[in-house]
Amino acid sequence: AQSVTQLGSHVSVSEGALVLLRCNYSSSVPPYLFWYVQYPNQGLQLLLKYTSAATLVKGINGFEAEFKKSETSFHLTKPSAHMSDAAEYFCAVNSYGGATNKLIFGTGTLLAVQP
Amino acid sequence: EAQVTQNPRYLITVTGKKLTVTCSQNMNHEYMSWYRQDPGLGLRQIYYSMNVEVTDKGDVPEGYKVSRKEKRNFPLILESPSPNQTSLYFCASSSDLYRDNEQFFGPGTRLTVL
Repeated sequence: AQSVTQLGSHVSVSEGALVLLRCNYSSSVPPYLFWYVQYPNQGLQLLLKYTSAATLVKGINGFEAEFKKSETSFHLTKPSAHMSDAAEYFCAVNSYGGATNKLIFGTGTLLAVQP
Repeated sequence: EAQVTQNPRYLITVTGKKLTVTCSQNMNHEYMSWYRQDPGLGLRQIYYSMNVEVTDKGDVPEGYKVSRKEKRNFPLILESPSPNQTSLYFCASSSDLYRDNEQFFGPGTRLTVL
């Protein structure tokens, strides 16, 4: 079975500081991993995805994530936080097996950016 | 504009009163699904559909029904809502079943069952 664990349900950073949101996965097959962002009162928007090509994946709004198989991690980073980055972030793995395209989500990390 | 729309966005109802949440996509996607989002639990899949007239249960299907009579629409039906179905619901679509394909999400429907 596949699963995703996000460490830290709430993360607070200062504007201009590094953003690091942690995600660890469990999968018996090579995983396809995603980061989604949810702004207040909106749906989920894809930030970036890992699909077994480059291990360092660049996404929108200056975010990137690195796939580390040895650590079973897919942490999300951004060098300099902006106020507009305040949102909830979800890591997800696409399920394997069966006729479904189900995403298995982590519990989410709420990012606050302080001025 | 490519999008997934849901209606209503907000709904307050009472236990046992049947309701339908509509979902429509304009991208000609084959795959559609419903998720519910609950604090501390993330999003969990309720039902999915691979194409017209093809639907199947996700992880938390109890108390829900769906139908897929047209490719663009995938309504979620609660025939007898209960308070434990109070949640934030998202519809999503994807062009196919390839695991690396992006899923597009609607804006969400916040449901309260009293």
